[in-house]
Amino acid sequence: AQSVTQLDSHVSVSEGTPVLLRCNYSSSYSPSLFWYVQHPNKGLQLLLKYTSAATLVKGINGFEAEFKKSETSFHLTKPSAHMSDAAEYFCVVSDYVDYKLSFGAGTTVTVRA
Amino acid sequence: EAGVAQSPRYKIIEKRQSVAFWCNPISGHATLYWYQQILGQGPKLLIQFQNNGVVDDSQLPKDRFSAERLKGVDSTLKIQPAKLEDSAVYLCASSLGPGGETQYFGPGTRLLVL
Repeated sequence: AQSVTQLDSHVSVSEGTPVLLRCNYSSSYSPSLFWYVQHPNKGLQLLLKYTSAATLVKGINGFEAEFKKSETSFHLTKPSAHMSDAAEYFCVVSDYVDYKLSFGAGTTVTVRA
Repeated sequence: EAGVAQSPRYKIIEKRQSVAFWCNPISGHATLYWYQQILGQGPKLLIQFQNNGVVDDSQLPKDRFSAERLKGVDSTLKIQPAKLEDSAVYLCASSLGPGGETQYFGPGTRLLVL
């Protein structure tokens, strides 16, 4: 069985400063890992995904994440936060057995002007 | 390309009443999913369809929840009778296939059971 733990339930940053959202995963097999973003009253949007290619994955809107097998982590970063980044972010894992998505509890990002 | 459509967007009902949600996936997507997202938690899979057949409904409370995808396109999720703990956002997603393809999510239906 696979699972993810998002280490921060809420992150607050100032506009223009870096954003770091932390995620640790557990999987019995080689995992696929995803980050999704959910803006208020909107559907989940895929930011990026890792599927055993390059360990540094670039996504949309300037986000990137690094897969570290030794640390079982898949942290999401962005060098400079924008007001539009305020949203809920979900780290998600699936494996090559049943491809089911297992979501973390989410991290709420607040961006201060 | 049109995204996943869901309706209604919001629904308020009293406990023991019934409610139905509708989902229209992205054209050509064979796999359709229904998730339940309780406030403060990540989405949890309720049921997965491949065309019009059920692939996985192990987490669906079958005593009160039912879902169908009769023609392999649109799907409906029904709750009868509703309980207070069913208050949540119900998300529909679709993908080209079941084998690790990217899932695309609709805006969700927010249900409040009073």
